[in-house]
Amino acid sequence: GNSVTQMEGPVTLSEEAFLTINCTYTATGYPSLFWYVQYPGEGLQLLLKATKADDKGSNKGFEATYRKETTSFHLEKGSVQVSDSAVYFCALSVPGNQFYFGTGTSLTVIP
Amino acid sequence: NAGVTQTPKFQVLKTGQSMTLQCAQDMNHNSMYWYRQDPGMGLRLIYYSASEGTTDKGEVPNGYNVSRLNKREFSLRLESAAPSQTSVYFCASVPQAQGRVGYTFGSGTRLTVV
Repeated sequence: GNSVTQMEGPVTLSEEAFLTINCTYTATGYPSLFWYVQYPGEGLQLLLKATKADDKGSNKGFEATYRKETTSFHLEKGSVQVSDSAVYFCALSVPGNQFYFGTGTSLTVIP
Repeated sequence: NAGVTQTPKFQVLKTGQSMTLQCAQDMNHNSMYWYRQDPGMGLRLIYYSASEGTTDKGEVPNGYNVSRLNKREFSLRLESAAPSQTSVYFCASVPQAQGRVGYTFGSGTRLTVV
């Protein structure tokens, strides 16, 4: 079946620290992979995506590379800011099917 | 602004009451979805509509019904609310269920059943 596993939170970092949030997946077929961000009291917003192996998605300083050999799509940012505090969701979709979401990782960045 | 609009934003129900959560999108998307979000469980799919005129069950459909009223609107109904349905409900849409374009989410309905 299809599933996403992402690292447990919460994660607390100091401003300007390096961020990695791990995500691995299991999928039938050739999935597309996504990272969504949810700010407090809001809905989920698409952060970045990659649709085939070795693609790198990037946005707002965040990036993630689709690694088929390790079935991973880890989220990274070189220098986090307080405004990055949010919950991050890894997700996959298989053509013609719905999305599968991870359980979310809460990030708090302290000044 | 274009997007997905959910109403109401907040609701408190008594056990056994019924209500309908409304969702509308103005992006001409074909596919629409209802999810619930609970702490530690991520998002779970309740129902979806791949195209106008069709609806299908997701992972947790019990206690819910849906109606795809037209291409724009997809409503979620709780016939007899239970405390276990206390959650945040999100509606989402996508041009079509092709898998390569991300969902657009509404801002959510926070429902409490007492």
